[in-house]
Amino acid sequence: DQQVKQNSPSLSVQEGRISILNCDYTNSMFDYFLWYKKYPAEGPTFLISISSIKDKNEDGRFTVFLNKSAKHLSLHIVPSQPGDSAVYFCAASAREGAQKLVFGQGTRLTINP
Amino acid sequence: NAGVMQNPRHLVRRRGQEARLRCSPMKGHSHVYWYRQLPEEGLKFMVYLQKENIIDESGMPKERFSAEFPKEGPSILRIQQVVRGDSAAYFCASSPAGNQELFFGEGSRLTVL
Repeated sequence: DQQVKQNSPSLSVQEGRISILNCDYTNSMFDYFLWYKKYPAEGPTFLISISSIKDKNEDGRFTVFLNKSAKHLSLHIVPSQPGDSAVYFCAASAREGAQKLVFGQGTRLTINP
Repeated sequence: NAGVMQNPRHLVRRRGQEARLRCSPMKGHSHVYWYRQLPEEGLKFMVYLQKENIIDESGMPKERFSAEFPKEGPSILRIQQVVRGDSAAYFCASSPAGNQELFFGEGSRLTVL
């Protein structure tokens, strides 16, 4: 039962263009969402989060959009840089402060020079 | 101590042996979480501990797996009588009390021969 799904296992984007990573969830109890970035042989690092009371959160080059009715969120990276090449995980929890995160399978982003 | 420290980074065990994975949280963090990542999958929650207490172990397999976070020393994830299906990356994360953001260690990669 995959409650958080990232349907694209990989994505390739030209340097300088926009990268859009998508995530869908099925559990309507989820109301806090996070994106983590992971390099090979390292642990995931927190990137950005959004609460269900918002539909957008921006931090520098990273913006997360949440569409609650569609149970869909996306991460936009613009402009994309070579250092953004990594695996990106979407995660969700039932409430802010809840420590049990449910992760998607990840999307491997490759930024081409 | 700049981050969450996990050791060993790599562990090889034969079927039937025991595996012990250790995690020292970030300084000032009293909450520890263990996640497991099977090949080509996302991270899956195993257990959430505070000092001397297991708060949520809903993700732990019912047999052979145990975790502790003693008053002194690191948190330990123990897997008894390992099987090939236990081969995975085991990530520890920590957080300050009540903080959503989890800080992950670099993981311990267990290989069962």
